[in-house]
Amino acid sequence: DVVMTQSPLSLPVTLGQPASISCRSGQSLVYSDGNTHLNWFQQRPGQSPRRLIHEVSKRDSGVPDRFSGSGSGTDFTLKISRVEAEDVGVYYCMQATHWPITFGQGTRLEIK
Amino acid sequence: EVRLVESGGGLVQPGGSLRLSCAVSGLTVSHTYVSWVRQAPGKGLEWVSVIYSSGNTNYADSVKGRFTISRDNSKNTVFLQMNSLRDEDTAVYYCTSASWDDWGQGTLVTVSS
Repeated sequence: DVVMTQSPLSLPVTLGQPASISCRSGQSLVYSDGNTHLNWFQQRPGQSPRRLIHEVSKRDSGVPDRFSGSGSGTDFTLKISRVEAEDVGVYYCMQATHWPITFGQGTRLEIK
Repeated sequence: EVRLVESGGGLVQPGGSLRLSCAVSGLTVSHTYVSWVRQAPGKGLEWVSVIYSSGNTNYADSVKGRFTISRDNSKNTVFLQMNSLRDEDTAVYYCTSASWDDWGQGTLVTVSS
């Protein structure tokens, strides 16, 4: 199985400040078709996961543009340009290039 | 609008069985694939199983041989039959669409004596 390693696991951030989460995979996530199936999810307290980013950097509909994804191969990053109170929750990366699908451990974002 | 609604969770003893349902609207389950993902209390997300449009299925090693995914096209519903349940199967079970951008609200399964 492809191991997805996120860091940090806990991320205290001051409102209005930027935040960055790293996700590294145990092997390249480039699929045979040339696409990279790396997604980012947000899970607010008491809610179901919500996809924010797919294919490394494509923001989902309705996701604020302060969220951005980048990376390639085995190293990926989710950035929030200015953290707002509604961003509190746990963030997961997920790879869908290799079976079985695997998730990172999650990064808990909190407001300082 | 795509909507997925899980049901069937509850308290069951170790070794027991439970069948979860995922009622889908806004897309046709026989034309796409639907996955189950679970989340143990206070833990992260774990992919469990998938059923493809072809009817082929796949399972995580942790549930292989104990869980069976199926669907009823007439009801546009996907099921997860869970047998030989263990304490470590305790979790909220979510169903999600192929695009991974539609999730249900989840149903809690508690395995305990």
